[in-house]
Amino acid sequence: DTGVSQDPRHKITKRGQNVTFRCDPISEHNRLYWYRQTLGQGPEFLTYFQNEAQLEKSRLLSDRFSAERPKGSFSTLEIQRTEQGDSAMYLCATKPRIGQETQYFGPGTRLLVL
Amino acid sequence: ELKVEQNPLFLSMQEGKNYTIYCNYSTTSDRLYWYRQDPGKSLESLFVLLSNGAVKQEGRLMASLDTKARLSTLHITAAVHDLSATYFCAVDTNAGNMLTFGGGTRLMVKP
Repeated sequence: DTGVSQDPRHKITKRGQNVTFRCDPISEHNRLYWYRQTLGQGPEFLTYFQNEAQLEKSRLLSDRFSAERPKGSFSTLEIQRTEQGDSAMYLCATKPRIGQETQYFGPGTRLLVL
Repeated sequence: ELKVEQNPLFLSMQEGKNYTIYCNYSTTSDRLYWYRQDPGKSLESLFVLLSNGAVKQEGRLMASLDTKARLSTLHITAAVHDLSATYFCAVDTNAGNMLTFGGGTRLMVKP
């Protein structure tokens, strides 16, 4: 257990519905990252925050995806009008300010879009 | 576009044997990470390599980095069943803030 928590752990939804995932970082970790991992593949970077500022977004993050980190604590990732291709594991990772290079990953949220 | 390639993609080993997993990447970077993932689980950090020639060891695993060759290796010594997992390398492209992962090496250690 890295101390990064994600909720829910599993989500089944129908195509076209909206879903929202939450990530609670280790306290005092000011950098937070979202990745997506499909079956049999490595994780793909989606976006990252330093405190409340979203500093990078991958082109994988289409207009249907939005991420927020109000007050620089927990973060949410919302997918609107879900598609079957959105089915994946969504991973959150966090890192402290400086002097520590490791990204600590949460347990992930597994999304299945029917 | 940065590409990270691992080989082999799948490795079946006998307990007690040695083997090496290779990670090649296509652009300059001096930060490389190794993670382990068990089935259905999240990623566990194994090593962070931050400079050319860096070598780190933990138990039966040893990782090294050659930034000139754009190559990292993960060497397994005297494999045991508990090492069965998928191993990912990842290369950083933005001060540790944008990791690009390889496709993973699925390791199975048989008794």
